[in-house]
Amino acid sequence: QVQLVQSGAEVKKPGASVKVSCKASVYTFTNYYIHWVRQAPGQGLEWMGVINPSGDGTFYAQKFQGRVTMTRDTSTTTVYMEVTSLRSDDTAVYYCAREGYGDKTPHFDYWGQGTLVTVAS
Amino acid sequence: QSALTQPASVSGSPGQSITISCTGTSSDVGGYNFVSWYQQHPGKAPKLILYDVTNRPSGVSNRFSGSKSGNTASLTISGLQAEDEADYYCSSYTRSSTRVFGGGTKLTVL
Repeated sequence: QVQLVQSGAEVKKPGASVKVSCKASVYTFTNYYIHWVRQAPGQGLEWMGVINPSGDGTFYAQKFQGRVTMTRDTSTTTVYMEVTSLRSDDTAVYYCAREGYGDKTPHFDYWGQGTLVTVAS
Repeated sequence: QSALTQPASVSGSPGQSITISCTGTSSDVGGYNFVSWYQQHPGKAPKLILYDVTNRPSGVSNRFSGSKSGNTASLTISGLQAEDEADYYCSSYTRSSTRVFGGGTKLTVL
């Protein structure tokens, strides 16, 4: 069974940075994109961006450009997302989600369990 | 990119059918057959229930079905069960290669 296992909850102060990890297993890591989606408390889902583990290409939502960086480590099949200059409205659960490409159509077939990031002074 | 428009809430009794709409534009929902739907129970990660407008992943009940007309996609749940009570989100691929979600719909089974 495909697994995306994320790192644990974080508490950060405004202005700090946070780096969340997403370890993939039980599938070929480089054959699927990894997207990041966040959900503020009581709110809906918000797409943040995507990384292609095969080649390290990234594409971010305009809202997050300059403040979010996605990277990957193929040796550990782990994707990372760093958010800088944190604000209180960045408080949310952050999810990684897998999406096929090539002969596959765009949809998120597996999700990580989520990582709660709390930004508070 | 604006969020897709979904009703905030819908409700139905066990055994009934309900439909949730998801309205976008010709740049997303109307332009591609890449609409997907996700079910989210409280405190849980979203789960894929439909993709490419009408396709169900393996293991998802055939009580879930989808359709699309113009810029509006729809999710229908037939034979409502208590376990269907959850939040539902639509998502679409967009012309600019981004992804966009709907605001979410809370389904209450009466």
